Amino acid sequence: NAGVTQTPKFQVLKTGQSMTLQCAQDMNHEYMSWYRQDPGMGLRLIHYSVGAGITDQGEVPNGYNVSRSTTEDFPLRLLSAAPSQTSVYFCASSYSAQNYGYTFGSGTRLTVV
Amino acid sequence: AQSVTQPDIHITVSEGASLELRCNYSYGATPYLFWYVQSPGQGLQLLLKYFSGDTLVQGIKGFEAEFKRSQSSFNLRKPSVHWSDAAEYFCAVGVAGGTSYGKLTFGQGTILTVHP
Repeated sequence: NAGVTQTPKFQVLKTGQSMTLQCAQDMNHEYMSWYRQDPGMGLRLIHYSVGAGITDQGEVPNGYNVSRSTTEDFPLRLLSAAPSQTSVYFCASSYSAQNYGYTFGSGTRLTVV
Repeated sequence: AQSVTQPDIHITVSEGASLELRCNYSYGATPYLFWYVQSPGQGLQLLLKYFSGDTLVQGIKGFEAEFKRSQSSFNLRKPSVHWSDAAEYFCAVGVAGGTSYGKLTFGQGTILTVHP
């Protein structure tokens, strides 16, 4: 089925470990973004990409890296996990930035101990 | 910078009752406005959006929202709530122009509980 696929669904990391959250979409969407969701704070933008090879920072980028080598994939890397990065992470894609017609993935629940 | 406030953290209604979820935004120009719904363990689904034109917007699942510029509000309404509407609802604002396109600022969310 067409949509946004996130893997893994759940992950537990130890402080200092690194990992990559995967996001893939098969809708040929140009715009992709990563949000984190924390209780009482809604969703906050981490990084976004307006097309392959182009990425930029959002509201809370510290501790995260992204790259966009293909239109389909937009992985999020945690360089050295910290307990403050315990959160639910959502990837979203849209045909274009101006379109705002986001499709969200089902999320990755990350716990850092 | 834009911001969104959802004053109600948790609302409880009886099935069949009407519903209004409040959303206030802060932005210097006409914003793009959205309501999303999130069921437990799921991603967000777009209910409706306002870009311009008619200030009363119809969405999916029988929801509607009204943009009131004078009150900086975009409240979500439904005339008769169903038990399946129990979820968390998020209001969001997007801006038009330049490199800011595509970025959404979300409110804190309102959890809706529906009693039978």
